[in-house]
Amino acid sequence: DVKVTQSSRYLVKRTGEKVFLECVQDMDHENMFWYRQDPGLGLRLIYFSYDVKMKEKGDIPEGYSVSREKKERFSLILESASTNQTSMYLCASRRGRLFSPLHFGNGTRLTVT
Amino acid sequence: SQQGEEDPQALSIQEGENATMNCSYKTSINNLQWYRQNSGRGLVHLILIRSNEREKHSGRLRVTLDTSKKSSSLLITASRAADTASYFCALANAGGTSYGKLTFGQGTILTVHP
Repeated sequence: DVKVTQSSRYLVKRTGEKVFLECVQDMDHENMFWYRQDPGLGLRLIYFSYDVKMKEKGDIPEGYSVSREKKERFSLILESASTNQTSMYLCASRRGRLFSPLHFGNGTRLTVT
Repeated sequence: SQQGEEDPQALSIQEGENATMNCSYKTSINNLQWYRQNSGRGLVHLILIRSNEREKHSGRLRVTLDTSKKSSSLLITASRAADTASYFCALANAGGTSYGKLTFGQGTILTVHP
């Protein structure tokens, strides 16, 4: 089974801090994704990556950046955390572009105070 | 990019009944996928239907796709309490700058009472 592991289940940070959310997958998948999930808004795509060192903006990239130095690892970076970035963050990976399903991690619930 | 719109937002049924959830969208898709999310967990893929397919089955799940109406439905037959979860449709866009992106609807919260 594919395993997507997010480094933290719960995280509490202060406004203005730089925050790193880490995601690792063990199935050599080319594609990786970061979503955030908020009540009433569903899942919204922040960034995705088709390959190492490649990244594409999703629908809500503002305030975030990403890093993919190795194929198995995709990091989401909040440059200066703000309270409106309090959310559930979900990482996912996928083999190929279109016809493969996403495999999700269990999520990181981030609270910014 | 487009987002699927799901209906109903919440559904409450008794064990043994069927549950139907719908997803509508606006622009062309390559495929449509359904996912399930148990409370506080990540999403799990259920089924994928391509734009040239009309119906797919997987166990107690039946998915239909009507590209002329730009809508899909997920039917869960003979529901169980363990089916209680949120269900999401996800759209794989057909091309252009959205190629490869997967966008999700807001989800339907299904509660199955024992």
